[in-house]
Amino acid sequence: DADVTQTPRNRITKTGKRIMLECSQTKGHDRMYWYRQDPGLGLRLIYYSFDVKDINKGEISDGYSVSRQAQAKFSLSLESAIPNQTALYFCATSDRKGSSGANVLTFGAGSRLTVL
Amino acid sequence: AQSVAQPEDQVNVAEGNPLTVKCTYSVSGNPYLFWYVQYPNRGLQFLLKYITGDNLVKGSYGFEAEFNKSQTSFHLKKPSALVSDSALYFCAVTPQRGGNNRLAFGKGNQVVVIP
Repeated sequence: DADVTQTPRNRITKTGKRIMLECSQTKGHDRMYWYRQDPGLGLRLIYYSFDVKDINKGEISDGYSVSRQAQAKFSLSLESAIPNQTALYFCATSDRKGSSGANVLTFGAGSRLTVL
Repeated sequence: AQSVAQPEDQVNVAEGNPLTVKCTYSVSGNPYLFWYVQYPNRGLQFLLKYITGDNLVKGSYGFEAEFNKSQTSFHLKKPSALVSDSALYFCAVTPQRGGNNRLAFGKGNQVVVIP
């Protein structure tokens, strides 16, 4: 089984619908992240969480919300999806031990979202 | 805020030839630098990182990268490319102080290794 599991892997939805992307991990990491990947733009950070009671906005949080239900689970919601939220979404985790800024991210396989 | 520039959209190289993927960065203070690789329909995988010390960093699958502070660069290199190296490569940076593991990624470089 994958260390970081994302569901669904693919989703097509319509404008205005509420969508939830889920992420679960077996790494035992405290830190979890949601990124969005767009061609030519690389990865951009949406939200991140350093523990269950800690939620922080990234560089592109507008239109998104998150929930850290447990150390191992971090979900991303689009309350009212719009077409420019069509993208590939990645969940990632990292440890907080040692030089935390140097800790490696472990990524899930991605969730491809299409908003029509 | 930190940022990364990967100037080339695509790098084409013949199998067996040296491969170089360029990266320059901007960050406040000293950087932590990373290279990740993405194969089709997969998440990003860690290749190597620079923390401190030796400017030449060796990583997975025969890749290495050289940190050049004066040129603010961290180019990825492989002496002899394989067809299986064809993938999307991302450079990322975070400051050593206050970065909190918030990486800034470049836009990525598509590497195509021609048999």
